[in-house]
Amino acid sequence: DVKVTQSSRYLVKRTGEKVFLECVQDMDHENMFWYRQDPGLGLRLIYFSYDVKMKEKGDIPEGYSVSREKKERFSLILESASTNQTSMYLCASSPPSQGGETQYFGPGTRLLVL
Amino acid sequence: AQKVTQAQTEISVVEKEDVTLDCVYETRDTTYYLFWYKQPPSGELVFLIRRNSFDEQNEISGRYSWNFQKSTSSFNFTITASQVVDSAVYFCALSRDDKIIFGKGTRLHILP
Repeated sequence: DVKVTQSSRYLVKRTGEKVFLECVQDMDHENMFWYRQDPGLGLRLIYFSYDVKMKEKGDIPEGYSVSREKKERFSLILESASTNQTSMYLCASSPPSQGGETQYFGPGTRLLVL
Repeated sequence: AQKVTQAQTEISVVEKEDVTLDCVYETRDTTYYLFWYKQPPSGELVFLIRRNSFDEQNEISGRYSWNFQKSTSSFNFTITASQVVDSAVYFCALSRDDKIIFGKGTRLHILP
C-alpha cells in the first residue's frame, strides 16, 4: 500500500520563524513534490525533485526552499515565515516516467503563521 | 499553455441523486494523461483515475463513471446514486511533463 506521511497535520508558527515541513514516502519513488492549496486557487506547485540532491522550482517558489538528502525524504523550508504563507501544504510522490505518472499524496499540513 | 477548467465551483445535491462534475482541459501535447482526485474533509488527496489520451473508452467503477471526449477536450466525472460520503472537493488534473496541473476543484455537498 502506498504511503506518504507528513510530519505534522497542524502547525502554528510566528512571523519570522524558520519552519520545516517534512515528507517521507515508502514507495521508493524518484519524484517528490510540494504544493500549497488555498481557497479558490487550487493546488500550486512550489518545488519538486527528480532525485536525491536535485530540486527544481515550481510555479511559486518565492519564499521557500527545499532539501532532499535521502530518496525517501523531501523537506520544505520556510526561511522566515510570513502571514501570507498560511496555507495547506501537500506533499506527493511518483515514480519516474516520460510524463503522466500518478502522484500519491500525504495527508497535508495546515500551517498558520501569526 | 496547458490548463484545466472546472467551471462548477460548488454543487449541492440530495442523497441518491446522480451528479456530474465537469472538466475541460487545454493542451498541445498529443500524448497526455488526465486524472481525477478526491479530497475529503480530512484533507488528503485520494487518487481516483488516470486516463491516457489514446484511450477514449468510458470507465465505470462502482457508482463512479468517467466520460472522456477528445473532440470537446472534456473528462467528466459522474457519481450515480450519490451518498453523503461522496461529499468532498474533486480535482481534475492534466499531465505536464513529469508534473501535473490541477483544476481549482469542485466542492460537492451531498445532502441527507
